[in-house]
Amino acid sequence: SQTIHQWPATLVQPVGSPLSLECTVEGTSNPNLYWYRQAAGRGLQLLFYSVGIGQISSEVPQNLSASRPQDRQFILSSKKLLLSDSGFYLCAWSLRENTEAFFGQGTRLTVV
Amino acid sequence: GQNIDQPTEMTATEGAIVQINCTYQTSGFNGLFWYQQHAGEAPTFLSYNVLDGLEEKGRFSSFLSRSKGYSYLLLKELQMKDSASYLCAVLDSNYQLIWGAGTKLIIKP
Repeated sequence: SQTIHQWPATLVQPVGSPLSLECTVEGTSNPNLYWYRQAAGRGLQLLFYSVGIGQISSEVPQNLSASRPQDRQFILSSKKLLLSDSGFYLCAWSLRENTEAFFGQGTRLTVV
Repeated sequence: GQNIDQPTEMTATEGAIVQINCTYQTSGFNGLFWYQQHAGEAPTFLSYNVLDGLEEKGRFSSFLSRSKGYSYLLLKELQMKDSASYLCAVLDSNYQLIWGAGTKLIIKP
């Protein structure tokens, strides 16, 4: 069966510090991978998606970046965090665009 | 622009039935998803509709009318564990998911 791992679950970082969130998928090959951010009481905002190794599409211009160094690994990074980067970050995978997405546990990031 | 509208919050009684509506205006349509999200947790998949009509899955059913840009999620025999947010999401012509803000459902005994 397929599983998705996302870590850490919670993170408190000072403004200006770097960020690295990692997500890995097991039990499937060549998945579509996604990074979302969810502000309190809001819907999901797509940040990045990837259909293959090294292929990253950015939906929202910001100080975040994503990388896919391996087929089932997706990393969200920032060189310098802003207060506005606080939120609930979710990694997800799907087999194809028109199939359901499966989400990791999420990372609650607080920038102080 | 693309828009998904859902009520912000609804309250229902344990054992009752509740219908959560979703209307959408998107550039194209390739399907509509419903997800359940408990507080502080990740969303989990409930249903997918791409053709008009009703899809039934146990206590949960989802309906779609593409001509009206409308869907609803019907929850029967409500249980306390159904207290959660319910997210509607539409797959547009570029196969991008457009998400609603979610409906917070409160179940009272």
